[in-house]
Amino acid sequence: KQEVTQIPAALSVPEGENLVLNCSFTDSAIYNLQWFRQDPGKGLTSLLLIQSSQREQTSGRLNASLDKSSGRSTLYIAASQPGDSATYLCAGGSQGNLIFGKGTKLSVKP
Amino acid sequence: NAGVTQTPKFRVLKTGQSMTLLCAQDMNHEYMYWYRQDPGMGLRLIHYSVGEGTTAKGEVPDGYNVSRLKKQNFLLGLESAAPSQTSVYFCASSSFGGYQETQYFGPGTRLLVL
Repeated sequence: KQEVTQIPAALSVPEGENLVLNCSFTDSAIYNLQWFRQDPGKGLTSLLLIQSSQREQTSGRLNASLDKSSGRSTLYIAASQPGDSATYLCAGGSQGNLIFGKGTKLSVKP
Repeated sequence: NAGVTQTPKFRVLKTGQSMTLLCAQDMNHEYMYWYRQDPGMGLRLIHYSVGEGTTAKGEVPDGYNVSRLKKQNFLLGLESAAPSQTSVYFCASSSFGGYQETQYFGPGTRLLVL
């Protein structure tokens, strides 16, 4: 059974800092790895999707990598801004469904 | 396009009462999903549908029923609500369930069962 773990559970950084969020999964037979953002009281917004045959995806200041052999994915956020404050969730797609991690709550201080 | 919408936004129920949560999507997506989100537990899949007229169980289906009579709508029913069903419920949809597809989420329904 696929399990997805995110470390750390919470992270506070000063504005402008580059940061990395970590995600690990137990079943390497995933067909994609997705990163979502969730703002308080809101639904999830898709940030990046990495297919199993890919190693990374980039969107603006965000870069996500996937290493299936080690069961890890990272989300790199460059030059963080207070508007990046949110909870970030990763999810592994396998057997037709998404298995979510519990998320990392990011706070970027001005 | 409105994307994925959920009705109601918030509801309080007494133990034993029933209710139906409505999810609607205007993206002509085949797949639809119901999740619940609890503190410290993450999102867990309740039921999903791979097309009109089909439904399937997810990770935590007990106490819930679903129906997909129309392609654009996915209903989640609680026949006899229990305090353990207090949660935030999210609906999502995707074109298909394949490796290229992301899921689009609704804003959520907060349910409190007393």
